[in-house]
Amino acid sequence: GAVVSQHPSRVICKSGTSVKIECRSLDFQATTMFWYRQFPKQSLMLMATSNEGSKATYEQGVEKDKFLINHASLTLSTLTVTSAHPEDSSFYICSASSHLGDEQFFGPGTRLTVL
Amino acid sequence: DAKTTQPNSMESNEEEPVHLPCNHSTISGTDYIHWYRQLPSQGPEYVIHGLTSNVNNRMASLAIAEDRKSSTLILHRATLRDAAVYYCILRDGYSSASKIIFGSGTRLSIRP
Repeated sequence: GAVVSQHPSRVICKSGTSVKIECRSLDFQATTMFWYRQFPKQSLMLMATSNEGSKATYEQGVEKDKFLINHASLTLSTLTVTSAHPEDSSFYICSASSHLGDEQFFGPGTRLTVL
Repeated sequence: DAKTTQPNSMESNEEEPVHLPCNHSTISGTDYIHWYRQLPSQGPEYVIHGLTSNVNNRMASLAIAEDRKSSTLILHRATLRDAAVYYCILRDGYSSASKIIFGSGTRLSIRP
């Protein structure tokens, strides 16, 4: 199946710094990418939908100025957590969908720890 | 978004079949039934999906009720590597940009 990668796989940062997470579709063009957050023992929560060349659509309750999403090409979307705080510590997962749309392919996740 | 209901947890023995149920009484005509699973500290992995007819692939089988209000994921011979959280999800089949909204899923444990 198609492969989605994320970088970095884990990151530790100090409170107040910004962290960028990359999501790449390796062998297909992703017209749409999705960003999720998952806290321990909980399910995945959709944060935003990212469409190539246009602004992301954020889910209710997700601050767009704090979680900046850029989908500049058909194979790359980035999520920047700005001014990170300890409560932003979580497992961030992206997924990508091609124009065929039958499946979403998920990345391996990025574990963010904010000290 | 139409919701699904799954048991919180299930246990099974290794090398035995496992039947994971899912109720989706408010499913619409364009909703596909998708199953994903998530192993610890990994992203979700696609398992199978279907619309009306039962489906088989190398990982599992999907049995869909005639009225489409419920479905069952069948693992024919569970192994320890099948221990994961299994999510039953409805997704609009008409749009490649349709969202996947995760419920709480079923945590499957496999006894050796």
